[in-house]
Amino acid sequence: QVQLVQSGAEVKKPGASVKVSCKVSGYSLTELSMYWVRQAPGKGLEWMGGFDPQDGETIYAQKFQGRVIMTEDTSTDTAYMELRSLRSEDTGVYYCASTIRPLFYGMDDWGQGTTVTVSS
Amino acid sequence: QSVLTQPPSASGTPGQRVTISCSGSSSNIGGNALNWYQQFPGMAPKLLIYSNTQRPSGVPDRFSGSKSGTSASLAISGLQSEDEADYYCAAWDDSLNAYVFGIGTTVTVL
Repeated sequence: QVQLVQSGAEVKKPGASVKVSCKVSGYSLTELSMYWVRQAPGKGLEWMGGFDPQDGETIYAQKFQGRVIMTEDTSTDTAYMELRSLRSEDTGVYYCASTIRPLFYGMDDWGQGTTVTVSS
Repeated sequence: QSVLTQPPSASGTPGQRVTISCSGSSSNIGGNALNWYQQFPGMAPKLLIYSNTQRPSGVPDRFSGSKSGTSASLAISGLQSEDEADYYCAAWDDSLNAYVFGIGTTVTVL
């Protein structure tokens, strides 16, 4: 049983960066593919990117390319998502999600979400 | 806007059958598996249906998925009050090289 526990809420000023963590338990991070999904207030789900096991690389949605970095620390089974040059439109809940299968089978397990507020 | 089109809302009375549609193209639904997620207010999404028709362990069999061509549907049979939630379809899009979600459908039990 995979459990994903995310870091706490963040309040940032425009132009700053935020780094959200996602601690994995129940499985080794090396056994999972990790992804990040954003949800703006009152809006739908938006896939940001994640690990592509087919080529062993991290892929980012075009919208976030150049502003987001997703990393993993396998020694602590923790995944990270850093978003830079924050603007007010980045306010929302950020989820990590995982699967042991290819992404097209869906994301099986989800973190509880981390609220990021960008405000001056 | 999303490349996957869903109705913003659907409703039914307890016990009814409710169907949610999801329409896409050959680059997403037409060529890849379609998944459905359920999300309650203030909660993380939950995978409800994967690979078009499969239910993860623990998902009641009143939820069923289907796919034909570039369209898919989620059906909720025997609608219950606890089924009030947002439902999102999602699939990999080969053209965007991204996993895309529909806008979500809010199901209301009348």
